[in-house]
Amino acid sequence: EPEVTQTPSHQVTQMGQEVILRCVPISNHLYFYWYRQILGQKVEFLVSFYNNEISEKSEIFDDQFSVERPDGSNFTLKIRSTKLEDSAMYFCASDSPGNYGYTFGSGTRLTVV
Amino acid sequence: AQKVTQAQTEISVVEKEDVTLDCVYETRDTTYYLFWYKQPPSGELVFLIRRNSFDEQNEISGRYSWNFQKSTSSFNFTITASQVVDSAVYFCALSASTGANSKLTFGKGITLSVRP
Repeated sequence: EPEVTQTPSHQVTQMGQEVILRCVPISNHLYFYWYRQILGQKVEFLVSFYNNEISEKSEIFDDQFSVERPDGSNFTLKIRSTKLEDSAMYFCASDSPGNYGYTFGSGTRLTVV
Repeated sequence: AQKVTQAQTEISVVEKEDVTLDCVYETRDTTYYLFWYKQPPSGELVFLIRRNSFDEQNEISGRYSWNFQKSTSSFNFTITASQVVDSAVYFCALSASTGANSKLTFGKGITLSVRP
């Protein structure tokens, strides 16, 4: 069964450092998303991406965040200068019209120290 | 604005009991989609079901069943004869469409513990 792949599974970074979280969506999917889940809380939408541009973003997705699909297969989330409160599980997801399930990757646990 | 309410926060049952997880949603859209996801202790989000607003038929998949009632804006999930492996956090979610802006709005989740 096709799956969304995220790397790394766990990343520890120092406050103020830049991090890039990587995702490989399902190959024939058209819509890509990033979500965040702070430990013990609900899953929150960050950004959606379609046709090589952001289609919607939440208020969480400020200027410190950016997304890119550099080579037609990878989909990345960059946090420019990490803060302690960016510590969370970050999920990538992809979807396509007619797809039965909206598929999430297994997540990247980001710890900012 | 869209909202999903999962009023139950934690449920504990003994194996083989039936358990129902409640989900109430709010939306102004006439077309929308409802989802359930399971999050086991390992942390991934496992897709369980997607249901569109025009299909009010109940669905059964093995020990899982879903009851969608538009009149009460509810999409409840029942696990029959629960098992220890069902222990997880369960999220209900809502999206407006399956287009480019189909972000999911999640509820806060229900932690289900199934004791042997």
